[in-house]
Amino acid sequence: AQSVTQLGSHVSVSEGALVLLRCNYSSSVPPYLFWYVQYPNQGLQLLLKYTSAATLVKGINGFEAEFKKSETSFHLTKPSAHMSDAAEYFCAVSDSGGGADGLTFGKGTHLIIQP
Amino acid sequence: EADIYQTPRYLVIGTGKKITLECSQTMGHDKMYWYQQDPGMELHLIHYSYGVNSTEKGDLSSESTVSRIRTEHFPLTLESARPSHTSQYLCASSDRDGRRGETQYFGPGTRLLVL
Repeated sequence: AQSVTQLGSHVSVSEGALVLLRCNYSSSVPPYLFWYVQYPNQGLQLLLKYTSAATLVKGINGFEAEFKKSETSFHLTKPSAHMSDAAEYFCAVSDSGGGADGLTFGKGTHLIIQP
Repeated sequence: EADIYQTPRYLVIGTGKKITLECSQTMGHDKMYWYQQDPGMELHLIHYSYGVNSTEKGDLSSESTVSRIRTEHFPLTLESARPSHTSQYLCASSDRDGRRGETQYFGPGTRLLVL
């Protein structure tokens, strides 16, 4: 069984500051890892994904994440926060054995940007 | 931008009514999914489909049913709505990418309120 833990249901940063959203996973097989963003009243949009290639993954809107197997982590970062980054962020995992079972999501982190 | 659509976006209905939530995608994807998302909580997979005439139950038990008569269409039905069904329902689709971490594309969701 696989699981995802996102530390901090709410994260608040100042505009221009570093954004760090934490994600730890548990999987019995090599995982595929995803970060999705959800803006109010919208569906989920893929930010980036890790599929066993480069451990540092760059995504849209200036976000990136690093896969660290030893720490079972896939934290999301952005060097400089923008007001438009305010949204809900979900980390998700699917195992390499089969994609048909869908994704396992974390509970989400609400990112608040202070002006 | 993904071409996956859900209707209605918002639905308020009385207990005991039959409802169908529509989901359509124009990308020709074989796999489709339904997730349930309660406020402040993670998404839970309730149904998925490999293709036409294929339907499977997900991780979270649900009283809803689905059908897949056409590739592009994956409706979800509740025969008798109850207040416990109040939630947001998200539809997604993905390519058959050999189970190699394929991306799931999400619709905007349907917010259901059962009185």
